Amino acid sequence: GAGVSQSPSNKVTEKGKDVELRCDPISGHTALYWYRQSLGQGLEFLIYFQGNSAPDKSGLPSDRFSAERTGGSVSTLTIQRTQQEDSAVYLCASSLAITAGGPPDTQYFGPGTRLTVL
Amino acid sequence: EDQVTQSPEALRLQEGESSSLNCSYTVSGLRGLFWYRQDPGKGPEFLFTLYSAGEEKEKERLKATLTKKESFLHITAPKPEDSATYLCAVQATTNAGKSTFGDGTTLTVKP
Repeated sequence: GAGVSQSPSNKVTEKGKDVELRCDPISGHTALYWYRQSLGQGLEFLIYFQGNSAPDKSGLPSDRFSAERTGGSVSTLTIQRTQQEDSAVYLCASSLAITAGGPPDTQYFGPGTRLTVL
Repeated sequence: EDQVTQSPEALRLQEGESSSLNCSYTVSGLRGLFWYRQDPGKGPEFLFTLYSAGEEKEKERLKATLTKKESFLHITAPKPEDSATYLCAVQATTNAGKSTFGDGTTLTVKP
């Protein structure tokens, strides 16, 4: 079946502009995750959704970052007033569910969106 | 705060030369430790989940092991196609949805 898809694959924007990044999870996956990966580094957790709700927003770097998920499916990560330090690859992942007290489900990653802020 | 440290940062091997990658972690209570493979320009690809100390998992030339403080990814007789960045991550029992990643080990296998 189809994997996690992200769009656009590349985005170049000017400092101060707003950008929206989209993630389509695997069908039937209720959990969705956003990460940021700077060049040569590991993944930095941003936010996760269980259904349409985001229990933990602590990873969002600033109030310029926001994310939403509607219909338990597609998610959008919005960055307002972009800065050069926002340049990175933004990765989305999905998993079947998040079960408190149970074993973690496998996260399946999309190919990422490479954001460049000039 | 959960922490993951991977070593070495980079590893160059000759084809057939076995070695190990290290992942040291601190977490309030381990829900799971994960190994991923990441090829350039692509998202991470899941390899293994380990849940408790003493557990081992194998897949082809890869074997992952877990203790209370670290995990090893052993690569036996590697081939050039094993070249990639290997990422380690942990999830704590106190926050089921959040994974903390290390910076990865970039493996290069020369023919």
